[in-house]
Amino acid sequence: RKEVEQDPGPFNVPEGATVAFNCTYSNSASQSFFWYRQDCRKEPKLLMSVYSSGNEDGRFTAQLNRASQYISLLIRDSKLSDSATYLCVVNLGGFKTIFGAGTRLFVKA
Amino acid sequence: DTGVSQDPRHKITKRGQNVTFRCDPISEHNRLYWYRQTLGQGPEFLTYFQNEAQLEKSRLLSDRFSAERPKGSFSTLEIQRTEQGDSAMYLCASSLEIANTGELFFGEGSRLTVL
Repeated sequence: RKEVEQDPGPFNVPEGATVAFNCTYSNSASQSFFWYRQDCRKEPKLLMSVYSSGNEDGRFTAQLNRASQYISLLIRDSKLSDSATYLCVVNLGGFKTIFGAGTRLFVKA
Repeated sequence: DTGVSQDPRHKITKRGQNVTFRCDPISEHNRLYWYRQTLGQGPEFLTYFQNEAQLEKSRLLSDRFSAERPKGSFSTLEIQRTEQGDSAMYLCASSLEIANTGELFFGEGSRLTVL
């Protein structure tokens, strides 16, 4: 079983749609959680951290459920520029950062 | 540009040749990581330095791979006797320990093609 699992997609959605991505992690000792965004043939960049209380950054909302070892990302009012791969990332403490394989999103006009 | 820089950006080599990649992290960052990414996969951890000390190596890092960070600044990743399975994007990242945000700052990567 992979340490971080994501639906690879692709998700094809029209502009303005709401789309949700899910992620599960296997290590219950995981300490911190993130979503990264990776554009085609570019490096990953931090999108947002994920907290147990849930957090929002503009059109993006992230949720963490430690009991179910589940992380989610909700994107509202999708833009063409949101098209990218979204990587679910778990830190086990210190330097141990594990990336999921990513979920691909295509937003169509 | 004060971000993470990697060189070369692209490398095409024949099987059996040695290749070396260089990473210059953000100057004040004491943590440096190497990851490998293949198509359709997320980055896979290879190795980690804190300052000049290599503190962790993944099982993915066979004996043909060696990494150094001699003065705690730039780092090199060498692959000896390359194999076609080594073809991938090699990503370097850095972070600042005391910031403890968990954010890794990646370079644009070095894409390796082994023929």
